[in-house]
This record gives sequence, structure tokens and C-alpha cells, in this order.
Amino acid sequence: AQSVTQLGSHVSVSEGALVLLRCNYSSSVPPYLFWYVQYPNQGLQLLLKYTSAATLVKGINGFEAEFKKSETSFHLTKPSAHMSDAAEYFCAVTLSGSARQLTFGSGTQLTVLP
Amino acid sequence: DSGVTQTPKHLITATGQRVTLRCSPRSGDLSVYWYQQSLDQGLQFLIHYYNGEERAKGNILERFSAQQFPDLHSELNLSSLELGDSALYFCASSVVDFPTGELFFGEGSRLTVL
Repeated sequence: AQSVTQLGSHVSVSEGALVLLRCNYSSSVPPYLFWYVQYPNQGLQLLLKYTSAATLVKGINGFEAEFKKSETSFHLTKPSAHMSDAAEYFCAVTLSGSARQLTFGSGTQLTVLP
Repeated sequence: DSGVTQTPKHLITATGQRVTLRCSPRSGDLSVYWYQQSLDQGLQFLIHYYNGEERAKGNILERFSAQQFPDLHSELNLSSLELGDSALYFCASSVVDFPTGELFFGEGSRLTVL
């Protein structure tokens, strides 16, 4: 079975500070990993995805994530937070092969303080 | 704008009633996914259709059903509604059969059961 755990349901950072949102996954086979963002009153939008091509994945809006197999982690980072980054962020996992579910974590609400 | 259209955006109904939520996927997308988002359960996968065929079922209640029509739009039917069914229901679409690529989400249908 596949699952993801997001540590910290709420994260606050100051504008200009580093953003670090944590995600750990559990799967018995190499996973596909995703980060999605949800702005208020909107649907989810893909930030980036890992599909085994490279362990460091760059996404939109300056975000990136590093796949670490030894730590079963896929943490999301951004060097400098902007006010516009305030949103809810979801980590998600699916497996290759016969698995057909994209399983989402519980989400992390990011607040950016001026 | 993701290109995925969901109607209605908001729906208020009473317990015991039946409602139908509609989703039009992006042009060219053959896959449609339904998710339920609530405060206590987070984002839960309900069901996946590809080109009119059911591909996977998640945590979908027996009171709920879905289908995808020849024009590729999909409907999610919720019957014998309970208070706990109040949630945001998202539809997402993608080109491929497996959820290993990007899913494009609609803005959701917010259901309130009174």
C-alpha cells in the first residue's frame, strides 16, 4: 500500500525566509511523487513531480523538492518566501504498474508573515 | 483556469436527498477522477474513469455512484445524503490512464447537507 505523511499541518514563515514543507512516503516499489498547491477557493495545481529521472526536481514559482530514497522523503523547499505563496500544499504518491490511486497527504497550510 | 469545469459550484440540500455533480474534463483528456475533500478526512479518492470505463474505486460509499458518458463528461451521484456528506467534491482530468502524470483539477462543487 502507498501513503504519504506530511509533518506539520501549519507552517508559518516570514517573507523572504526559507520555506520547508515535509513529506515522507511509504511504498514497496519506486513511487511517483507529487506536490500540489491549493489557493483559497480554487482547485489543486501541480507544483512539481518526481518520476525517477532526477532526484532534485524543480517546479513552478521557484519551488523544488529532493527525492531521498534512504529517508523515504520528498520535502518541498523554496529559498525565499513571497506573500503569494500562502496556500495549502499537498504531497501525493502513486505507484507504477497496476496501482491506479493518487493518494494525497493531509496537507500543510503555509502562512507567510510580512 | 485548468480547463476542467464543475457544476454546480455550490449546492445546499437536505438529508435524505439526492444530488448530481457534473464534470467536464479538459479537451482531449480521457481520464476523470473524483475526490472528496473534507476537514476531517482530507482529500479522499473516490473513483476513476477512463474513456467511459471504470478503472479504480477508492473510498466511495455505496450510496454514491458515478459514470462517464461518451462525450467524456462525468457525473457523480450522491443519494440518501447525510450530514457527513457535506464536503468539497473535486473532479480532475488527465490524458493518460494512470495517475502518473499531472492531474488538472476543477474548482470543485461545495455540497452542504442540512
